[in-house]
Amino acid sequence: AQSVAQPEDQVNVAEGNPLTVKCTYSVSGNPYLFWYVQYPNRGLQFLLKYITGDNLVKGSYGFEAEFNKSQTSFHLKKPSALVSDSALYFCAVRDWLSGGGADGLTFGKGTHLIIQP
Amino acid sequence: NAGVTQTPKFRVLKTGQSMTLLCAQDMNHEYMYWYRQDPGMGLRLIHYSVGEGTTAKGEVPDGYNVSRLKKQNFLLGLESAAPSQTSVYFCASTGWGGDTEAFFGQGTRLTVV
Repeated sequence: AQSVAQPEDQVNVAEGNPLTVKCTYSVSGNPYLFWYVQYPNRGLQFLLKYITGDNLVKGSYGFEAEFNKSQTSFHLKKPSALVSDSALYFCAVRDWLSGGGADGLTFGKGTHLIIQP
Repeated sequence: NAGVTQTPKFRVLKTGQSMTLLCAQDMNHEYMYWYRQDPGMGLRLIHYSVGEGTTAKGEVPDGYNVSRLKKQNFLLGLESAAPSQTSVYFCASTGWGGDTEAFFGQGTRLTVV
């Protein structure tokens, strides 16, 4: 079984400071990892993914994430936060062994990111 | 390119009533999913489909039925709504392959009174 943990319900960061949203995962095989963002009253939007290769992946809106296999983590980062980054962020995992991904992604509970002006 | 479209966006039902949520995608995706989102619970998979005419149960299937008669459409039905089904429902689709990202609709906010 696969699972995702986002240990922080909320993260507060001052505008212009770096931000980190934490995610750890558990899978039987190799993971496919994703980050999504949800703005109020909207659906989820894809930010970035790790499939294989370079442990640092870059995505939309200046976000990046670092895959750490030994710590089973996939933390989302941004060097300089913007007020417009305030949203709900979800980490998600799919076990590579599940084959084709047909049974969907497993999501964390989400982290509210609040960027203070 | 519309992507994934859900209808309706809002609905209020009385306990025991039935309704159908419609999801349509125009990306020729094989896989489609229905999730529910509840505060503090993240997204939980209700049912999914790996192709036209096929459906399967997800994590929380009880009280829901689905159908995929056409590749582009995935319907979620509530036969007898209960207050516990008050939630925001999201449809998503992906192409073939575990490494592809999912595209989500804008959600349906359902309240059962």
